[in-house]
Amino acid sequence: GESVGLHLPTLSVQEGDNSIINCAYSNSASDYFIWYKQESGKGPQFIIDIRSNMDKRQGQRVTVLLNKTVKHLSLQIAATQPGDSAVYFCAETPNTGNQFYFGTGTSLTVIP
Amino acid sequence: DTGVSQNPRHKITKRGQNVTFRCDPISEHNRLYWYRQTLGQGPEFLTYFQNEAQLEKSRLLSDRFSAERPKGSFSTLEIQRTEQGDSAMYLCASSLGTGLQETQYFGPGTRLLVL
Repeated sequence: GESVGLHLPTLSVQEGDNSIINCAYSNSASDYFIWYKQESGKGPQFIIDIRSNMDKRQGQRVTVLLNKTVKHLSLQIAATQPGDSAVYFCAETPNTGNQFYFGTGTSLTVIP
Repeated sequence: DTGVSQNPRHKITKRGQNVTFRCDPISEHNRLYWYRQTLGQGPEFLTYFQNEAQLEKSRLLSDRFSAERPKGSFSTLEIQRTEQGDSAMYLCASSLGTGLQETQYFGPGTRLLVL
């Protein structure tokens, strides 16, 4: 089966600092990746995506890095704010289908 | 708010009862997905529809589970003879449906508790 995992289950950062959340995947056929943010009691919210023909993509305060050689994905959040506190999931899908595989998630806590 | 709605938001039922959840996707989206999420875990894929056709089902979807999308718009997920292990958040997502590997937008989920 698919294996998508995260290096750290929890992360605490000071408000204003940068956050880095990591994710490892095992399926070399995976070539589309999404980071989702999930707040308590809510569904996952799309943050940013990246395809395997890229190694970096930037959004507003967020950057996703993809290293296909070591099958590693990271989400960088600049100037972390209290509203960023949530669980972050990486999700991946291979080039053959529509099913996404999610990791366990990293819980980010921003300390004011 | 992504535009995907789910009802009810919460459901408490007794073991052995049947429950049905509804999902309304983003209006122009042709694909609709169901996932299950247990506490502390990421969502797990259950099934998906392209318009009214159910194209893929996970092995997690036992015989007690059935999903429909009769007119290619809203979908229902029914669980018959619920078990305590069915307690979870049931998430619906939708995507445009024009190609592979599309961004999926999730609804708020229905939290099921089986007593």
